Amino acid sequence: EPEVTQTPSHQVTQMGQEVILRCVPISNHLYFYWYRQILGQKVEFLVSFYNNEISEKSEIFDDQFSVERPDGSNFTLKIRSTKLEDSAMYFCASSARQGSYGYTFGSGTRLTVV
Amino acid sequence: DAKTTQPNSMESNEEEPVHLPCNHSTISGTDYIHWYRQLPSQGPEYVIHGLTSNVNNRMASLAIAEDRKSSTLILHRATLRDAAVYYCILREEAGGFKTIFGAGTRLFVKA
Repeated sequence: EPEVTQTPSHQVTQMGQEVILRCVPISNHLYFYWYRQILGQKVEFLVSFYNNEISEKSEIFDDQFSVERPDGSNFTLKIRSTKLEDSAMYFCASSARQGSYGYTFGSGTRLTVV
Repeated sequence: DAKTTQPNSMESNEEEPVHLPCNHSTISGTDYIHWYRQLPSQGPEYVIHGLTSNVNNRMASLAIAEDRKSSTLILHRATLRDAAVYYCILREEAGGFKTIFGAGTRLFVKA
């Protein structure tokens, strides 16, 4: 069964450093998403991406965050200057279409900011 | 997205059926009902979705009330591996571009 692949599985970074989280969505999917989950809390929507541009973003997704699909297969989330409160699991997801179709999520990247 | 209400937690015995309820009294005519689950230390996993009719797949069944104000996810024979948080989510037919997760129901399965 097709999978969404995320790398690395765990990243430790110092506060103020830039991090890039990588995702390879399912190859024929057109819609891409990033979510995060702080330990013990809900899964929170960050951003959706379609046709090489951001479709929607949440209040969490401020100027410190950016997304890119650099080469037609990867989908990246960049955090420019990490803060302690950015420590969380970050999940990438993709879907073939919007609306009634389900998402396929990756296993996540655990980001620890120290 | 319209709001859903689920119990915080439920408990089941292994190999028995589990009925996970969800209330969505403000559902609109074009909202699809989606269910996801999140196993410990994993990303969310799509389970099933429906609009008006009951739905079955290899993972579960979805029973939708006639007025669509509630639905029930049915696991026919719970296994220990089904212990997870189950999320009931409404999504508009037009889609929007996001799926919003609530707190979900934490299902405990006893051997």
